[in-house]
Parts: sequence; C-alpha cells; structure tokens
Amino acid sequence: NAGVTQTPKFRVLKTGQSMTLLCAQDMNHEYMYWYRQDPGMGLRLIHYSVGEGTTAKGEVPDGYNVSRLKKQNFLLGLESAAPSQTSVYFCASSYSNWARVGQPQHFGDGTRLSIL
Amino acid sequence: LAKTTQPISMDSYEGQEVNITCSHNNIATNDYITWYQQFPSQGPRFIIQGYKTKVTNEVASLFIPADRKSSTLSLPRVSLSDTAVYYCLVGDNSNYQLIWGAGTKLIIKP
Repeated sequence: NAGVTQTPKFRVLKTGQSMTLLCAQDMNHEYMYWYRQDPGMGLRLIHYSVGEGTTAKGEVPDGYNVSRLKKQNFLLGLESAAPSQTSVYFCASSYSNWARVGQPQHFGDGTRLSIL
Repeated sequence: LAKTTQPISMDSYEGQEVNITCSHNNIATNDYITWYQQFPSQGPRFIIQGYKTKVTNEVASLFIPADRKSSTLSLPRVSLSDTAVYYCLVGDNSNYQLIWGAGTKLIIKP
C-alpha cells in the first residue's frame, strides 16, 4: 500500500532553472496539498486542491505553480528557481476537508531541493 | 489571524508520561485540532485529532478545554522510539487556512 509517493527524493538546481515535483496518491483522496518545511518554521502551505481540475493558493504561493489534471496526481512547478526556494517539500492528501470532518492528512516522505 | 505556540523542545525519560501543550487563539469554531509526529527524513504522521474535551486512541490522548484556546497531547509511558518532533495543526477562524505549530522536539532518554 503505497499511500503518498513523491518524486524525486532529492534534486539540486541552479538558479533560474525550472523543474516539476510529482505527487501521487493511491487512496482516492479528493484533497491534496503541497507544503514546504524550513528549519524552525514548521510546515507552510504552498497550494492545495479540493478536487480534480481545481487548485487554490495557500500561505506561500509565490514562485510556484500547481496542476491537478488527474485526481491521483498533484504537480508542483518552479518556473525559475531561486535560492530562497531551497527547502524540503512535502505533499499530502486527505479524503475530504481535513478539519471539518476529522479526516487527517497523509504525507509523503518529502523532496529535498537545493537551489545553488 | 490564528497563531499557535508550542515549546521548542522537551526532554523526558523512558516510562514517563509526557504532555505537550499547544496554545492557539482565533481558531476556526467548527474545526478539529490535530497532532502529528515527524521523524527525521520522513513526512509527518497523524497521531490524534479532537474537537473538544478528551480523545484517546491506542497511542495518545488529547485534552481540549472548553474555550479551545489550547490543546495538550499526552503520551503515556514513552519509549526511546517516541523521540521525534510533534506538531499541532489548527484552522484559522478568519480565512480557514491551515496553521501549523513550529513543532516540539521531544527527546526521550534511557
């Protein structure tokens, strides 16, 4: 039972390069999320999706774009990478609104991204 | 806007009960309060979730007072494997955004 799978696990980019992080879930969850985690700052929500074909901004959306073309996949794109985007990125999914109906989020193991 | 406050770190010993409190104001009235555990190089893992009063599962208890301005995660009889970072998660009352605590690093000693 894979749960939430993130690829790649590690990546080093140069400033200005672009890349896409892939998140896949096999639990038929409606909601999906992208977070970044920096030392001492906990998790910050970048973008989220409440269903196939829909996306919304979170707390720190600038510099990122997302797409949810298929229910099981949620892509995070960096169009022009900057050193400030060096972080660990986590994807999560939940069956429905995590807070209103007590549905917890399930997380992948993260993508460690370094921007030089 | 909602804000959460957790202790940065805590130490305890095997077999002890550990209580970690998260203070949170302006949280969404109808939202759950959730706690997660995170080990190095892994994503957060759900521990327990509650709306009010007390909730207990096989690994922890969660105490939430009536005013919901704080919540306390209780880990009974901890072991070395409970060494991890613990996060509280709440919803903001004004914009329903997710608000994560900064995390409490719990170190269990033999």
